[in-house]
Amino acid sequence: EAGVAQSPRYKIIEKRQSVAFWCNPISGHATLYWYQQILGQGPKLLIQFQNNGVVDDSQLPKDRFSAERLKGVDSTLKIQPAKLEDSAVYLCASSPARAGRQETQYFGPGTRLLVL
Amino acid sequence: DQQVKQNSPSLSVQEGRISILNCDYTNSMFDYFLWYKKYPAEGPTFLISISSIKDKNEDGRFTVFLNKSAKHLSLHIVPSQPGDSAVYFCAASNNAGGTSYGKLTFGQGTILTVHP
Repeated sequence: EAGVAQSPRYKIIEKRQSVAFWCNPISGHATLYWYQQILGQGPKLLIQFQNNGVVDDSQLPKDRFSAERLKGVDSTLKIQPAKLEDSAVYLCASSPARAGRQETQYFGPGTRLLVL
Repeated sequence: DQQVKQNSPSLSVQEGRISILNCDYTNSMFDYFLWYKKYPAEGPTFLISISSIKDKNEDGRFTVFLNKSAKHLSLHIVPSQPGDSAVYFCAASNNAGGTSYGKLTFGQGTILTVHP
């Protein structure tokens, strides 16, 4: 079974530029998550999709971050414009999660973003 | 507000001995707890979990203990092996009411080093 795929693996940009990350979840997984992991901290949930609908985006900085999951499969996360504090690893995870039931989340390798 | 805390940034253990990683939480609504393991340049991988209706769960060399009154959980690894060297994250979720889709809140992580 193929795992969660993410690209690119690394990205270096200057502040105020824009950047986009791509995620392909495990086939059949209805739920997709984007996390931000700043160095020395644990992953923090940015947005959660159930199929192509948003379940939780309470911690997404909506003035600069956006995400979509068209057709309920692949997802993209965009930052525009980027700030220095956006330097982090962006992790995508998927699970077959259903309401009221805890399912294991499977993580991709992440995209390491450095904003200069 | 850090709802899940891992107060030890690092732990060093000799091969063959026991490793004990600790985690505290503040949100009494959490009803499911997980441990994830992360190697450099990889995403976190699920290790073991425990429901709030239990106080212990064991899987091979890994055992998780939950003390709900103290809002504390711990991960025991016996015996520790050099391949266990990684960052360990504690995570918690609230699935009560059947409306949650598995949102996880992570601790900051503990770096475990097992020396041969």
